[in-house]
Amino acid sequence: ELKVEQNPLFLSMQEGKNYTIYCNYSTTSDRLYWYRQDPGKSLESLFVLLSNGAVKQEGRLMASLDTKARLSTLHITAAVHDLSATYFCAVDRETSGSRLTFGEGTQLTVNP
Amino acid sequence: NAGVMQNPRHLVRRRGQEARLRCSPMKGHSHVYWYRQLPEEGLKFMVYLQKENIIDESGMPKERFSAEFPKEGPSILRIQQVVRGDSAAYFCASSELRFMWTNTEAFFGQGTRLTVV
Repeated sequence: ELKVEQNPLFLSMQEGKNYTIYCNYSTTSDRLYWYRQDPGKSLESLFVLLSNGAVKQEGRLMASLDTKARLSTLHITAAVHDLSATYFCAVDRETSGSRLTFGEGTQLTVNP
Repeated sequence: NAGVMQNPRHLVRRRGQEARLRCSPMKGHSHVYWYRQLPEEGLKFMVYLQKENIIDESGMPKERFSAEFPKEGPSILRIQQVVRGDSAAYFCASSELRFMWTNTEAFFGQGTRLTVV
């Protein structure tokens, strides 16, 4: 069974600081996704990572994928309050019947 | 192009009642996925449907839960005889093609928050 683990689960940081969220998964995966969820809202797609070594950046967020280590990271640079949200990683596998397996989520709070 | 539309946004049911959750996929999308999110947890896959067919229901509870995606109209997730443990946010996602295709991505609706009292 595919398992996806994120850490930390809770992250409180100061504006302007950098930090990294980690996402480990248990078996080989075809693709990895990062989503953002604001309280009471839906999931907003941030990144789709398709291959080993993939790196994508959008604003203050950068995601990378190491399929050999089964690890993805979401790096936050110079955090701002607007980044406060819960971040989920999710993986899918062709053999999973086209479904996503999500991590538990990292609840990020950026303090002024 | 409207996104994935779910209704109602909030639903309150008494124990033993039925809950019906609706999902209209994005225009042109024929693949629908339902996920459940318990408080403070990630999303858990429930069922994957294509028009008129259930493709994967491995995440659906064996009893009281059913899903359909008719030829016309929205996908429906139906929960019979609801219990307090069914209280959760239920999200629907849709995609144009089956998920395994490289450039396919699923888009999520805003969810239905079910509260069982």
